[in-house]
Amino acid sequence: NAGVTQTPKFRVLKTGQSMTLLCAQDMNHEYMYWYRQDPGMGLRLIHYSVGEGTTAKGEVPDGYNVSRLKKQNFLLGLESAAPSQTSVYFCASRPLDRVSGRVGYEQYFGPGTRLTVT
Amino acid sequence: AQSVSQHNHHVILSEAASLELGCNYSYGGTVNLFWYVQYPGQHLQLLLKYFSGDPLVKGIKGFEAEFIKSKFSFNLRKPSVQWSDTAEYFCAVNSMNTGFQKLVFGTGTRLLVSP
Repeated sequence: NAGVTQTPKFRVLKTGQSMTLLCAQDMNHEYMYWYRQDPGMGLRLIHYSVGEGTTAKGEVPDGYNVSRLKKQNFLLGLESAAPSQTSVYFCASRPLDRVSGRVGYEQYFGPGTRLTVT
Repeated sequence: AQSVSQHNHHVILSEAASLELGCNYSYGGTVNLFWYVQYPGQHLQLLLKYFSGDPLVKGIKGFEAEFIKSKFSFNLRKPSVQWSDTAEYFCAVNSMNTGFQKLVFGTGTRLLVSP
């Protein structure tokens, strides 16, 4: 299994340009997440999805949109990039909670996308 | 809102020194607790996790953490660090008040181990 993969790995955008980051997972996980990581701020949740066709806002959703048309893919879009969106973006996935043993709460992370907006 | 505090932002140790990284969280109900590690240029990997049971949790690479409910803490420890432990360490919590759906991360502790 490849686990969680992200494309692209690096990208440079000019202010106002748009782009889509793709996250794919082959573990049949129901939950998927997009985070951004900035120095000294840890990881902050942008949007997440609890299943195919559903999305929800996280802590810092402004300027981003997401879609989960297929269970294995979670797309993060920037409609009009701004320098404040320069960051490293991580995708993660997690299986559905199970009744017994409370398994499934661990998130599995992708390798990240380094985005620079000039 | 739930929060996670990691008070040590940067830690510098010599090899073989003991390590303890602090983590405190704000939620008083049922929680799940995690420590993740991020080696330079890599993605986050799970070090250890606590769901229930024995509050002393052992993880990979000789790390352990102790859940102290009365102190809302989940400190990470290692008796003897190695140069290869140089990394950034994140504490994370999810809780019943969000249906355990979302992780809240601390701001991270950057550990540098000198040979």
